[in-house]
Amino acid sequence: QKEVEQDPGPLSVPEGAIVSLNCTYSNSAFQYFMWYRQYSRKGPELLMYTYSSGNKEDGRFTAQVDKSSKYISLFIRDSQPSDSATYLCAMSAANSGYALNFGKGTSLLVTP
Amino acid sequence: DGGITQSPKYLFRKEGQNVTLSCEQNLNHDAMYWYRQDPGQGLRLIYYSQIVNDFQKGDIAEGYSVSREKKESFPLTVTSAQKNPTAFYLCASSILHSSYEQYFGPGTRLTVT
Repeated sequence: QKEVEQDPGPLSVPEGAIVSLNCTYSNSAFQYFMWYRQYSRKGPELLMYTYSSGNKEDGRFTAQVDKSSKYISLFIRDSQPSDSATYLCAMSAANSGYALNFGKGTSLLVTP
Repeated sequence: DGGITQSPKYLFRKEGQNVTLSCEQNLNHDAMYWYRQDPGQGLRLIYYSQIVNDFQKGDIAEGYSVSREKKESFPLTVTSAQKNPTAFYLCASSILHSSYEQYFGPGTRLTVT
């Protein structure tokens, strides 16, 4: 079983919709949870990271971590066509030193 | 402008040739990383370095080599021993002990025929 699971999609939504992107994981030692956005043929861009459980909000983006369920989510409010990209979740344990464990990414298309 | 640069954007090589991908950063980050991304796959760590003149293997280091002679630079050589070298290669950097906050370059797409 892969440590981080992420539905590859594609996910298609109309402009203005609320988008929910999710990842599950199996390693209970993970404490840092990241979301990256990657446009086609570009490098990933860090959107936000969360330490341990709870919510974090940044503009239209909200990250949630539920460690008891080993489940993380990224919500995008008022989605825009410019949000169309692949969203990658990544996680690391506090003592890993370097290792980020990435999901495969979810492809999102926001249609006007 | 602070950031990470990778060159070239596209690279084509014949099978059996070694090729070196460039990665430079001016963020004053101590740690640098190389990842490989295949279609529909997550990123897989090839090598990382936390300090000049030191580096460690990641999950898929076979067929690759790196050097870290300067803080700003972390070139990756794809050798002829790498069985499936065609991929999208991404370089990243972070503050030391803050690997959860990695910043990525634009990537190099390598095609080997």
